[in-house]
Amino acid sequence: DIQLTQSPSSLSASVGDSVTITCRADLTFRNYLNWYHQRPGKAPKLLIYQASTLQSGVPSRFSGSGSGTHFTLTISSLQPEDFGTYYCQQSYNSWTFGQGTKVEIK
Amino acid sequence: EVQLVESGGGLAQPGGSLRLSCIASGFTFSDYEMSWVRQAPGKGLEWISYISADSTTTEDADSVKGRFTISRDNARNSLYLQMNSLRAEDTAVFYCARGRTYPHGLMMGYFDFWGQGILVTVSS
Repeated sequence: DIQLTQSPSSLSASVGDSVTITCRADLTFRNYLNWYHQRPGKAPKLLIYQASTLQSGVPSRFSGSGSGTHFTLTISSLQPEDFGTYYCQQSYNSWTFGQGTKVEIK
Repeated sequence: EVQLVESGGGLAQPGGSLRLSCIASGFTFSDYEMSWVRQAPGKGLEWISYISADSTTTEDADSVKGRFTISRDNARNSLYLQMNSLRAEDTAVFYCARGRTYPHGLMMGYFDFWGQGILVTVSS
């Protein structure tokens, strides 16, 4: 199975800050990488698919990039509703998720 | 509006069985691959089972292989997960999720809609 490692595991940032979350894979693949956001007690929500394509309805402050083994999710201007946990997910070999990055608002 | 509603969760004893259901609405269910994803309390997401739109292909994570069986009834817009030989470590919220294929892709790449989740607790 492909292992995905997210960093940092948690972060605290202020409203308006730019935030970047990294997802590293232990095997290289093209862009079969997706990002989700989950608020406590809620279902995950798709943000980005195929590394950089914004899901319909997702605010443009979210962006994704990367290929190979290194992928990033960037929130250009953090908003109060962006708190929660972010997960990357690969589909190159079966489907696995990263361990998550918890985002707190200062 | 796309909706996925899970049911069938609850308390089960170790070694016991449960059957989860997921009723889909707001889209043509028979056109989409589906999966089950679970989340143990305080933990991350774990994909566990996949089924193709026509049920010809299924795949399970090693953690549930041989114990869990995914199935669907397209006439009833329903997805199922039969869970046997349950263990304490199966305690989790279980989500059904709609799968999507990347442009020019062959198989499910990502999950674009999720149900609200159903709690399964395995304990004596």
